[in-house]
Amino acid sequence: EPEVTQTPSHQVTQMGQEVILRCVPISNHLYFYWYRQILGQKVEFLVSFYNNEISEKSEIFDDQFSVERPDGSNFTLKIRSTKLEDSAMYFCASSYGRGIGTGELFFGEGSRLTVL
Amino acid sequence: ELKVEQNPLFLSMQEGKNYTIYCNYSTTSDRLYWYRQDPGKSLESLFVLLSNGAVKQEGRLMASLDTKARLSTLHITAAVHDLSATYFCAVDSYGNKLVFGAGTILRVKS
Repeated sequence: EPEVTQTPSHQVTQMGQEVILRCVPISNHLYFYWYRQILGQKVEFLVSFYNNEISEKSEIFDDQFSVERPDGSNFTLKIRSTKLEDSAMYFCASSYGRGIGTGELFFGEGSRLTVL
Repeated sequence: ELKVEQNPLFLSMQEGKNYTIYCNYSTTSDRLYWYRQDPGKSLESLFVLLSNGAVKQEGRLMASLDTKARLSTLHITAAVHDLSATYFCAVDSYGNKLVFGAGTILRVKS
């Protein structure tokens, strides 16, 4: 069964360092998303991406964050200068469409980011 | 702004008992998800509910949606220990921008 894959599964970094989290969405999907979950809290939307541009972003997704689809398969989330409060599990997700019949969201396994 | 409220936030059940988790949301939506999450793990999709009156069942879990009341329920029948996890509802505010509830931590005691 097709799945969304994410790397790394866990990354530890020092405050102020740049981090890139990588995702390979399901191959025929067109819409891509990042969500995050701070430990013990609910999952929060960060950003959606379609046709090589951001469709929507949340207040959390400030200038420190960026997303990119550098080639035909990868979708990346970059945090430019990590802060302690960026420590969280980051989930990538993808969907074929956004409508009723095509918009079901599929999540990856997550990348745990720990900022020291 | 869409708000999603789940209750209870913590549920301790005896094996074999039935219980219901409730998910209320504040504005119209055309898609609602239920997810299961084990500690430190990803989100396992349980149900996608698309229309008013939708009811889906998988094993001991049954989910329903009442779009008029803006309410979804996740009913657990004859709970077993393996169902212990955190359960989230998530409501699509627009175009897969999901707003998640706070989650219900379910502990099933034998």
